[in-house]
Parts: sequence; C-alpha cells; structure tokens
Amino acid sequence: ETGVTQSPTHLIKTRGQQVTLRCSSQSGHNTVSWYQQALGQGPQFIFQYYREEENGRGNFPPRFSGLQFPNYSSELNVNALELDDSALYLCASSAGQGNTNEKLFFGSGTQLSVL
Amino acid sequence: AQKITQTQPGMFVQEKEAVTLDCTYDTSDQSYGLFWYKQPSSGEMIFLIYQGSYDEQNATEGRYSLNFQKARKSANLVISASQLGDSAMYFCAMREGQNGANNLFFGTGTRLTVIP
Repeated sequence: ETGVTQSPTHLIKTRGQQVTLRCSSQSGHNTVSWYQQALGQGPQFIFQYYREEENGRGNFPPRFSGLQFPNYSSELNVNALELDDSALYLCASSAGQGNTNEKLFFGSGTQLSVL
Repeated sequence: AQKITQTQPGMFVQEKEAVTLDCTYDTSDQSYGLFWYKQPSSGEMIFLIYQGSYDEQNATEGRYSLNFQKARKSANLVISASQLGDSAMYFCAMREGQNGANNLFFGTGTRLTVIP
C-alpha cells in the first residue's frame, strides 16, 4: 500500500511569484485535504477536494487554489506569494469525508520558503 | 476562543516511564471527534488514536490511551513505557460534527523528549 507522497520536499520562491505543490493520495483514498503549518504552530485547514471538486475551505484567500485529478492526486496553487506564506504544506488523504471518525493520512509535506 | 488548547510546550520523560500530554477542547457540537497525531522531525503527521464524543470507553491503541473527560472537555494522551522513538511533536485535534469536510482543528502541540 502506497502512502501519501508530496513533491517537492523543499521550495524557495520570491515574493509575488506563483507556486504549485503536488500530492498523490494513498491507494484507495478519494478525498484530499491541504493544510498549512507555520513554524511553531499546528496545521491549519486550507481546503478539501472530493471527486475533483472543492467541497470545504478554511480561512484562506482565493489566491490559494487547487485541483484534484481523476486518479485522486491533487495540486495546491498559491499565487502572488507573500512572506507569510512560508510554511510546511501538508497533504492528507482519506477514504471518505465528513465523518467525525474519518482518519487522515498525511504526507511528509513541502517546506516552502518565500524570500 | 481556541478550539484546541495544549498548555505544555515541552515535556520530558524518562525512558520506560509513562507520560500524560494535556489537551482541552471547546465546541458546542454534540457530535465531534478527537485525534492525536505525532509529528517526528520528518514532518509527516502520524495518526495515533481517536475518541468519538459518544464513545463511553476511553480509546486505547497499543501503548497509547486517551483519557477522555467529557464534562471537563479534556482529551489527554497517555503514553505508557516511553521509548526513545517517542521523541517528537504531539498534536491534539478535533473535528466537529456539523462541518462536512475533513477540517481538523489542531492545537499548537507539545514537544516530547524521552531521556535515556
């Protein structure tokens, strides 16, 4: 069974640029969620994709967008990067969505540094 | 108000001893789920244990148990027989029942260090 994989592991961008992060979900999982983890903080929910559509979003501006593909892999796109976007971006997959006991399986994340 | 509060930024425990990591939560939902995740330096969040709000028994998973006190809104993680590999960040998280997404609210975490 393949776990959640994310690429790249590290990325350095400058303010104003755009970035795309990628995630392959665990085998059999159809739901992908993205989280932002700033230094010294817990992860914060960005959004979730189910059946190729966004169906849940946290308190993040529209310049954070995403895609889910038919094979359930996903991308997170961030436009007009700001210094505060520097963080670890975690992707999580699950077999379903919305149930209180739904376990999320996380990747190792992409460390984004914005200079 | 914070939905998840972890008041211990760091904890130390002797190898083979037990340790309790504190977590309190705040929700008005009747249906919710509580999770603990471990985050080693590699960055991956590893699921440890789950407790549902309607579960009458405290959850256990191997050396991990969750001390669930609903009236006090606390969900403390107990790790028995600590091992050196337990050194990591530990996060408490909650999913509220009324939102349909996999939106977990995380605390700020506790860094556990196991001393040989």
